[in-house]
Amino acid sequence: ETGVTQSPTHLIKTRGQQVTLRCSSQSGHNTVSWYQQALGQGPQFIFQYYREEENGRGNFPPRFSGLQFPNYSSELNVNALELDDSALYLCASSSGTSGTLTDTQYFGPGTRLTVL
Amino acid sequence: SQELEQSPQSLIVQEGKNLTINCTSSKTLYGLYWYKQKYGEGLIFLMMLQKGGEEKSHEKITAKLDEKKQQSSLHITASQPSHAGIYLCGAAETATGNQFYFGTGTSLTVIP
Repeated sequence: ETGVTQSPTHLIKTRGQQVTLRCSSQSGHNTVSWYQQALGQGPQFIFQYYREEENGRGNFPPRFSGLQFPNYSSELNVNALELDDSALYLCASSSGTSGTLTDTQYFGPGTRLTVL
Repeated sequence: SQELEQSPQSLIVQEGKNLTINCTSSKTLYGLYWYKQKYGEGLIFLMMLQKGGEEKSHEKITAKLDEKKQQSSLHITASQPSHAGIYLCGAAETATGNQFYFGTGTSLTVIP
């Protein structure tokens, strides 16, 4: 148990729709990051938030956006869903105070998104 | 961008055998993480290596980081079915630390 939870567990959407995925970090963890993992591949970094501000972003378009709240919860929003967005979405939290990802990240169980 | 190459891509071993998984970076690493993932689930943190030449062990798993901090290995001694899963190495982007990269993963199957 990492203390990081995600909801929902599974989700099915159709192309063009919008989706919101949720993550609850460990208490005291100010950094949260989100990853997309397609089948058979390693996780791809989407972005990270530190103290409610986006602090780093991977190679993902602007239709992927996020929010981090003071109560250690966060959201990943994806607009205009495409078939290729089907993947396991993972969030991770860390206690780092530098706003970087050089501290150990603890992962949630993931949300499996299927886009039809 | 920083790339992490893992080898082999997959491994099938008999229970009780030893095995090694490698992770190579194109850049000097300032922290190398090893995670284990059961299929379709979240990642479980195994170990973090930071210093050149560092070696850490937990139960039957040993991880090493070479002196140049560009290559790491994960060694499992006397493998068990519980070791089965996907092993991933990961590291923060060296310049800013504000991105994180994972290797492509190594799928391990242990046959009883």
